[in-house]
Amino acid sequence: NAGVTQTPKFQVLKTGQSMTLQCAQDMNHEYMSWYRQDPGMGLRLIHYSVGAGITDQGEVPNGYNVSRSTTEDFPLRLLSAAPSQTSVYFCASRRTSGFTDTQYFGPGTRLTVL
Amino acid sequence: AQSVTQLGSHVSVSEGALVLLRCNYSSSVPPYLFWYVQYPNQGLQLLLKYTSAATLVKGINGFEAEFKKSETSFHLTKPSAHMSDAAEYFCAIAGGGTSYGKLTFGQGTILTVHP
Repeated sequence: NAGVTQTPKFQVLKTGQSMTLQCAQDMNHEYMSWYRQDPGMGLRLIHYSVGAGITDQGEVPNGYNVSRSTTEDFPLRLLSAAPSQTSVYFCASRRTSGFTDTQYFGPGTRLTVL
Repeated sequence: AQSVTQLGSHVSVSEGALVLLRCNYSSSVPPYLFWYVQYPNQGLQLLLKYTSAATLVKGINGFEAEFKKSETSFHLTKPSAHMSDAAEYFCAIAGGGTSYGKLTFGQGTILTVHP
């Protein structure tokens, strides 16, 4: 198993540009989520999905969209990039929504918005 | 709302010394608690988790944590630090009927190990 994969690893955008961060998992996990990591703030939940076709907002959803058309993929879209979205983005997956299941993280995408 | 607070953004120890990373939580329902480790330029990896079974939880790489309800704490310890333990450590909390698996993370503690 490749686990949780994310592309790209690095990205530089100009303010106002849009882009999609890709996330895929090959473990047939129901639950997937996106976090952003900023210095001194830990990880904050952006959006999550409990299954194909079902998504919901997390703690910091503004400026981001998600969809889940398949079990494997959970892309994160930045609609109009802003410097405040400069961050490291992590995708994670878990077998179910249950807390006892281990959550697996991807390697991250480092995004800079100029 | 649930939250965790990690006391100390940076902890420095000598190789072979005790590692103690502090985490206190706030929750109105019985919590599930986790410790994750992040090595430079990598994603997070689960060290251990408390899911209301044994209060003393053993994890990977010789780490353990004890759930203390009276102190609302879940501190991470390791008897003898190794150079390879240098990383950032995150405490996280989850729980509650409609939270749908959401984890709330602390601010992180960077552990430095000196030779």
